[in-house]
Amino acid sequence: QKEVEQDPGPLSVPEGAIVSLNCTYSNSAFQYFMWYRQYSRKGPELLMYTYSSGNKEDGRFTAQVDKSSKYISLFIRDSQPSDSATYLCAMRGDNNNAGNMLTFGGGTRLMVKP
Amino acid sequence: EPEVTQTPSHQVTQMGQEVILRCVPISNHLYFYWYRQILGQKVEFLVSFYNNEISEKSEIFDDQFSVERPDGSNFTLKIRSTKLEDSAMYFCASSSWTFVFDTEAFFGQGTRLTVV
Repeated sequence: QKEVEQDPGPLSVPEGAIVSLNCTYSNSAFQYFMWYRQYSRKGPELLMYTYSSGNKEDGRFTAQVDKSSKYISLFIRDSQPSDSATYLCAMRGDNNNAGNMLTFGGGTRLMVKP
Repeated sequence: EPEVTQTPSHQVTQMGQEVILRCVPISNHLYFYWYRQILGQKVEFLVSFYNNEISEKSEIFDDQFSVERPDGSNFTLKIRSTKLEDSAMYFCASSSWTFVFDTEAFFGQGTRLTVV
């Protein structure tokens, strides 16, 4: 079983739609959960960061973590063509060691059509 | 806005040659990372670096790889004898703390390494 799984898509939605992106994971030690956006041939850009379970909202973006189900989600409201990109989930464990590695999902390609 | 800068943006090298990928992390950051992404595959962790030493490394980071912070601003990844399978996008990242207090890990734009 892969450590972090993510549907590769592509996911195609009309402008203004609510987008739901998801990841599942198998390692119960993961405590920090992030969503990155990656445009083609560019570096990942951090969008959202959450610790443990719960919701976090930032503008049009909402991140949800359900540790009991080992399932995380990113919702994008009022999607725009500029949101078209690959969305990567990433996660890490929780210990006092500096510089813990991030484990990434494979990314979901999102296309928002005008 | 502060950013992580990587050079070169694209490097072509012959198999067996040594390459050095360079990064300038954000100036007040203390933790530095290298990740790679083979075309069509996941972003994979290579190594993290703190206080002038490696703090964590993955199984990919074998003896062919090394990292260095030669001065107060640069952070480099050296591949001693490149193989075809080293062809990938290499990302440098830096953070000010270990994901505590809502800090962020910033990624550079990447260096595309092509081994021929």
